[in-house]
Amino acid sequence: NAGVTQTPKFRVLKTGQSMTLLCAQDMNHEYMYWYRQDPGMGLRLIHYSVGEGTTAKGEVPDGYNVSRLKKQNFLLGLESAAPSQTSVYFCASMSGNYEQYFGPGTRLTVT
Amino acid sequence: SQQGEEDPQALSIQEGENATMNCSYKTSINNLQWYRQNSGRGLVHLILIRSNEREKHSGRLRVTLDTSKKSSSLLITASRAADTASYFCATAPPAASKLTFGTGTRLQVTL
Repeated sequence: NAGVTQTPKFRVLKTGQSMTLLCAQDMNHEYMYWYRQDPGMGLRLIHYSVGEGTTAKGEVPDGYNVSRLKKQNFLLGLESAAPSQTSVYFCASMSGNYEQYFGPGTRLTVT
Repeated sequence: SQQGEEDPQALSIQEGENATMNCSYKTSINNLQWYRQNSGRGLVHLILIRSNEREKHSGRLRVTLDTSKKSSSLLITASRAADTASYFCATAPPAASKLTFGTGTRLQVTL
């Protein structure tokens, strides 16, 4: 099992550009999450999904959109990147016993 | 806003010593979890304690939960250099559909 994978690992964007981060899990988990982590802070929830075709807002959803067209994939989109979105982004999925499994992260820099 | 607040923010000990980290939270929970993050990596689940449990052990880890004080502690016994990492507590609300992470404790274990 690969667990949770994220693509890409690194990306540099210019202000106003768009991009999509892809998260994939092979554990058949219903719940999936997107977090951002900034220096000195814990993880903050951006959006999450409780199953295929569903999405919900987390703590910091502004400037991001998500889609869960397939159970194994959860996409995070930035339509018009801003320097404030420079961060490390983590995807996670949750098992039936409430444990979350994390991907390796995507380091995004917006200049 | 962060649900969990860890204390201390940073901790430096020598190999073989015990490390204790504390977490306080604000609202009712279904469970509380501890995660470890090595530098530049994704988070790894360590242990989960449910709201009706008071203490739980896993290997060298001991977690306590006091719901009346809304606090938890993580004890790592006989620390090793490999335990050097950041440790985060995370709380799940009664519906348990998502986690809110604290700001973390950076643990440094020196030889």
